[in-house]
Amino acid sequence: NAGVTQTPKFRILKIGQSMTLQCTQDMNHNYMYWYRQDPGMGLKLIYYSVGAGITDKGEVPNGYNVSRSTTEDFPLRLELAAPSQTSVYFCASNYQPQHFGDGTRLSIL
Amino acid sequence: GENVEQHPSTLSVQEGDSAVIKCTYSDSASNYFPWYKQELGKGSQLIIDIRSNVGEKKDQRIAVTLNKTAKHFSLHITETQPEDSAVYFCAASIEAAGNKLTFGGGTRVLVKP
Repeated sequence: NAGVTQTPKFRILKIGQSMTLQCTQDMNHNYMYWYRQDPGMGLKLIYYSVGAGITDKGEVPNGYNVSRSTTEDFPLRLELAAPSQTSVYFCASNYQPQHFGDGTRLSIL
Repeated sequence: GENVEQHPSTLSVQEGDSAVIKCTYSDSASNYFPWYKQELGKGSQLIIDIRSNVGEKKDQRIAVTLNKTAKHFSLHITETQPEDSAVYFCAASIEAAGNKLTFGGGTRVLVKP
């Protein structure tokens, strides 16, 4: 099992650009989560999904969208990138305990 | 919503000594408390967790204690080793509500050889 795989690992975006952060898991977990981690801070929940076709907002959903068409994939989309979205993004799967990917470091300039 | 405070933000210990990290939470409905270890450039890994029906849990050199009345829980690492150097996060969630974790701000632990 590869576990939770996130791509890309690093990305630099210009203000106003859009991009999709990919997350896939091969453990057949129903629950998946997206978190962001700002420097020196804990992780904050952006969106989560309890299964294919079902998504819900977390603590900081503004500026992001998600979809869950399959059990394996849970992409996170930024439509109009803003400097405030510079962060490290972590995807996790499983209800308990949550398994984390290695993160995507995103800079918006 | 839930708020989790974590202290200290940095902790330097001598190899072989113990390290203690403390967290408080605000929502009395929270009933699941995991601790994660994050190494540089990596995702977080669960090191131990505890549920609200248990006061203490131990796994080799790592232990967690929970005081529901005071709404705080602590991580204890004994006989620290250089490989224990990392950032540690506590978290809290309500198991019946999607297990949405609220994290503390993290503690950077440095174990000096």
